[in-house]
Amino acid sequence: AQTVTQSQPEMSVQEAETVTLSCTYDTSENNYYLFWYKQPPSRQMILVIRQEAYKQQNATENRFSVNFQKAAKSFSLKISDSQLGDTAMYFCAFTSNFGNEKLTFGTGTRLTIIP
Amino acid sequence: GAVVSQHPSRVICKSGTSVKIECRSLDFQATTMFWYRQFPKQSLMLMATSNEGSKATYEQGVEKDKFLINHASLTLSTLTVTSAHPEDSSFYICSARDGSIPQFTQYFGPGTRLTVL
Repeated sequence: AQTVTQSQPEMSVQEAETVTLSCTYDTSENNYYLFWYKQPPSRQMILVIRQEAYKQQNATENRFSVNFQKAAKSFSLKISDSQLGDTAMYFCAFTSNFGNEKLTFGTGTRLTIIP
Repeated sequence: GAVVSQHPSRVICKSGTSVKIECRSLDFQATTMFWYRQFPKQSLMLMATSNEGSKATYEQGVEKDKFLINHASLTLSTLTVTSAHPEDSSFYICSARDGSIPQFTQYFGPGTRLTVL
């Protein structure tokens, strides 16, 4: 079974600084997808970024980028120039071709951007 | 694109009554929809997976007779909590997968807060 681990329950950073959220996962599969979702106080889950395991290039979306280390099974999220609107819970998630496409979520990291 | 709506956003009901929650994909066809439950300050817990036109697949420990799921069309899935009790109070979230995109991405609805008195 796949597992996703987020070892940082809470983090805080000053506005405009850079922050990195960590995520590790465990799987025996070779073809899979990794995601970071954001859940602000409204509780709407928002897709932040997606990485396909067969792609070696790290995904980027504006201020958000990932450091995907397949051999180490690590998938960290870097937020550059952090903004107050980035304050939210961040969940790392895994899915694959098998297991009926179910998402396996980590326990989340609560990120607070300090003005 | 990729918008998922959920209705109602909040519902309060008396113990013993049934509550129906709708999940709609507004601008894409959802071959698969998922229902989650989230307790305060916790991660999402998958309850069931539904595919259009077939029976839902429930996760271990989820009572299929209590949480009825119907995926009648490619844009609509419903979750009915039957004979609700206070312990069913929670935040319920649906998600939908766009079958035309191969990247297995799920798009989430805004959630429904259920309170059973």
